[in-house]
Amino acid sequence: SQQGEEDPQALSIQEGENATMNCSYKTSINNLQWYRQNSGRGLVHLILIRSNEREKHSGRLRVTLDTSKKSSSLLITASRAADTASYFCATEEGAQKLVFGQGTRLTINP
Amino acid sequence: NAGVTQTPKFQVLKTGQSMTLQCAQDMNHEYMSWYRQDPGMGLRLIHYSVGAGITDQGEVPNGYNVSRSTTEDFPLRLLSAAPSQTSVYFCASRRSGDTDTQYFGPGTRLTVL
Repeated sequence: SQQGEEDPQALSIQEGENATMNCSYKTSINNLQWYRQNSGRGLVHLILIRSNEREKHSGRLRVTLDTSKKSSSLLITASRAADTASYFCATEEGAQKLVFGQGTRLTINP
Repeated sequence: NAGVTQTPKFQVLKTGQSMTLQCAQDMNHEYMSWYRQDPGMGLRLIHYSVGAGITDQGEVPNGYNVSRSTTEDFPLRLLSAAPSQTSVYFCASRRSGDTDTQYFGPGTRLTVL
């Protein structure tokens, strides 16, 4: 069964707006990671947040983690057409197994 | 570094045929894994390996075999292909440890008729 569940499944916004997507998970985690997948390509690692961290930034990306609610959010600020992709959260279970959610499909309209 | 490479990029099989998907990495990563991705879905873990000679099952291992004779290579074998195995297959690798980035290959798109 999949650990992370992203919300919304699809998101369409105008270029320049901010995009927020959420991830909920079920069990305790060591860390939570976000990946991007462009159409027809492999996944690219964006950012990792550890279980003892609450917020992390990387360029236009901001990730928060609330372990009490078992949830995380990914914020992309000042969106660009190149941000159009699917975004996945992944959590690390025991024995170093990375489990992915179903993803949020983000479309940035010019 | 070439990173994680996968061959072939595309493959069409008939039901019952067998084949091996190749995966190699040149980053000396201990941990390698195979995922499948079905349309509109996330990735599901098939098998993984924490080092040469060590493999273990993931979430959906049935119908697939793996071996890890070297650190660099982690082939995935389909024993008797079925239409349900039509999917895109991704190989990934990373260093051991709980904070390391996982690197993905470009994927193999497999169709079983």
